[in-house]
Amino acid sequence: DAKTTQPTSMDCAEGRAANLPCNHSTISGNEYVYWYRQIHSQGPQYIIHGLKNNETNEMASLIITEDRKSSTLILPHATLRDTAVYYCIVRVAGVIVGQNFVFGPGTRLSVLP
Amino acid sequence: DAGVIQSPRHEVTEMGQEVTLRCKPISGHDYLFWYRQTMMRGLELLIYFNNNVPIDDSGMPEDRFSAKMPNASFSTLKIQPSEPRDSAVYFCASSQYGLAGVDTQYFGPGTRLTVL
Repeated sequence: DAKTTQPTSMDCAEGRAANLPCNHSTISGNEYVYWYRQIHSQGPQYIIHGLKNNETNEMASLIITEDRKSSTLILPHATLRDTAVYYCIVRVAGVIVGQNFVFGPGTRLSVLP
Repeated sequence: DAGVIQSPRHEVTEMGQEVTLRCKPISGHDYLFWYRQTMMRGLELLIYFNNNVPIDDSGMPEDRFSAKMPNASFSTLKIQPSEPRDSAVYFCASSQYGLAGVDTQYFGPGTRLTVL
């Protein structure tokens, strides 16, 4: 599976958009980009996923570059409750192979009042 | 649905004791995963099941760890004997093979295990 790189930490002002980048330069054509987050003392929470088109749901938007080597998760109006560690994961769609859902260190997002 | 349910939420035990963690996946999900999270190693996949059958247990740290899934609505992770280095948060997750061939894992709240 492709590896991802994310900044260790980011700050964002409450009410502003939080843009979290992820590099996945070795992504394969059949690999999706997933985003999860983990709020302190809770289990990881699914946010969004995509293959090559931009995606939007009630939680966030996912922008994937045309070459698919990077993506950005956008929280349009960050709140204090969005403070969490955000994980970017790439994996082959529909194939659950032992270790391929790999959570790296992620980005620790702090939303500041 | 209530989501993935884990019990207990917290467990404190002494070294050498047997520990059993429990998980109820989301109804209808055919995959179940056990993860362990520590500060040092992050989130690690231990084992996963498909239709109650263990598929890959290569992440299980050693023979002291065992997992079972006797039916579609229940799984256990057992540590016998427990050691202080087993102290961690253990998560259970479940997923279902999706319509588009993609799957999303839904995690439980975790069990925080402390072995003294």
